[in-house]
Amino acid sequence: NAGVMQNPRHLVRRRGQEARLRCSPMKGHSHVYWYRQLPEEGLKFMVYLQKENIIDESGMPKERFSAEFPKEGPSILRIQQVVRGDSAAYFCASSLAGGSYEQYFGPGTRLTVT
Amino acid sequence: KQEVTQIPAALSVPEGENLVLNCSFTDSAIYNLQWFRQDPGKGLTSLLLIQSSQREQTSGRLNASLDKSSGRSTLYIAASQPGDSATYLCAVSRDAGNNRKLIWGLGTSLAVNP
Repeated sequence: NAGVMQNPRHLVRRRGQEARLRCSPMKGHSHVYWYRQLPEEGLKFMVYLQKENIIDESGMPKERFSAEFPKEGPSILRIQQVVRGDSAAYFCASSLAGGSYEQYFGPGTRLTVT
Repeated sequence: KQEVTQIPAALSVPEGENLVLNCSFTDSAIYNLQWFRQDPGKGLTSLLLIQSSQREQTSGRLNASLDKSSGRSTLYIAASQPGDSATYLCAVSRDAGNNRKLIWGLGTSLAVNP
């Protein structure tokens, strides 16, 4: 059973471009969490999704950021009109369900905005 | 609002020492607590997960304890090795519904010197 996959592993974007980060959960997992780790800062929760539903987006910036987890395919974290402050490592985690199930983390996507 | 604090922020020890990393949290209504390891520029490796009903978990040279009522956890590393050098992160999930988003500490950066 493959682990959580994220791609790309490294992404370079110029200011104003769009960034799309993908997360393929472990097989059978229907819950996805996204976290962001800014340079020299701790990890912060961004959004929690179940298939086709956003459950908690309290950690998402109000503008330019969106997330989805369609019925088929990976979860996508989309950042429009990127700025240098968006440069960070973005990690996703998946779990079998909510409740007592452990989150399994992907290797992360490192976004650099030039 | 849950806050997680890790002390010390950095630690340097000679090889072979036993050491303790500390994690405290302000809201005792947690569902579980996890310890992770992160190597520079790398992803997250889950070390130990302690459910709120448990007092400790052990894996090899690692032992984590949890005192939920006092809002504290410790990670004990026995007979430290240079390969243990990394940042150790503590994270808690809240005990409310199925949303298990993790709240993170800033980590303890450990250097084990040969």
